[in-house]
Amino acid sequence: DIQMTQSPSSLSASVGDRITITCRASQSMSGYLNWYQQKPGKAPRLLIYSASSLQSGVPSRFSGSGSGTDFTLTISSLQPEDFATYFCQQSYSTPRTFGGGTKVEIK
Amino acid sequence: EVQLVQSGAEVKKPGESLKISCKGSGYIFNSYWIGWVRQMPGKGLEWMGIIYPGDSDTTYSPSFQGQVTISADKSISTAYLQWSSLKASDTAMYYCARQDWNALAAFDIWGQGTMVTVSS
Repeated sequence: DIQMTQSPSSLSASVGDRITITCRASQSMSGYLNWYQQKPGKAPRLLIYSASSLQSGVPSRFSGSGSGTDFTLTISSLQPEDFATYFCQQSYSTPRTFGGGTKVEIK
Repeated sequence: EVQLVQSGAEVKKPGESLKISCKGSGYIFNSYWIGWVRQMPGKGLEWMGIIYPGDSDTTYSPSFQGQVTISADKSISTAYLQWSSLKASDTAMYYCARQDWNALAAFDIWGQGTMVTVSS
């Protein structure tokens, strides 16, 4: 199985801040990396697929980059509605494992 | 509107059986894989397995193989997740999600989740 390691596990930030979340895979997987946002009591929502492609309807302040084993999710200017937990997921092979999550909290 | 609608919350006793459902609408159900994801209370997401409703081809995570059964009835656009003998450790929220190969197999549509509580 491909292991996905996210960092940090949590972070505190202010509205307007730029934040970056990192996801590292235990083996190379080209660009088969996805990012999801989950708010309390809600289902996850796809933000980014194929490492850097923005899902329809997702604001442009979200962006993704990386290839091989190292990937990042960046929010350019944090908005109040962005405080949530973010998960990466590899879709290169089954089982399509998730990272442990990064909780973004208000400073 | 493309959506997945899951069955309601369940409260069961250890040893009981259970089958929860996920009904797709607004798209060709048979043409997309459906996956199941577990989220234990306060924890992260765990990929359990996927099924292709067109031919019921199924792949399980080794962590869940033998513990659950994933099935589908394409005639009613519904996927299922079932247990033959529940344990307290099965208490969790379970999500179904559509896998889209146009998005390199990302889960682009999610159900609202089914909370399963197993307690004596």
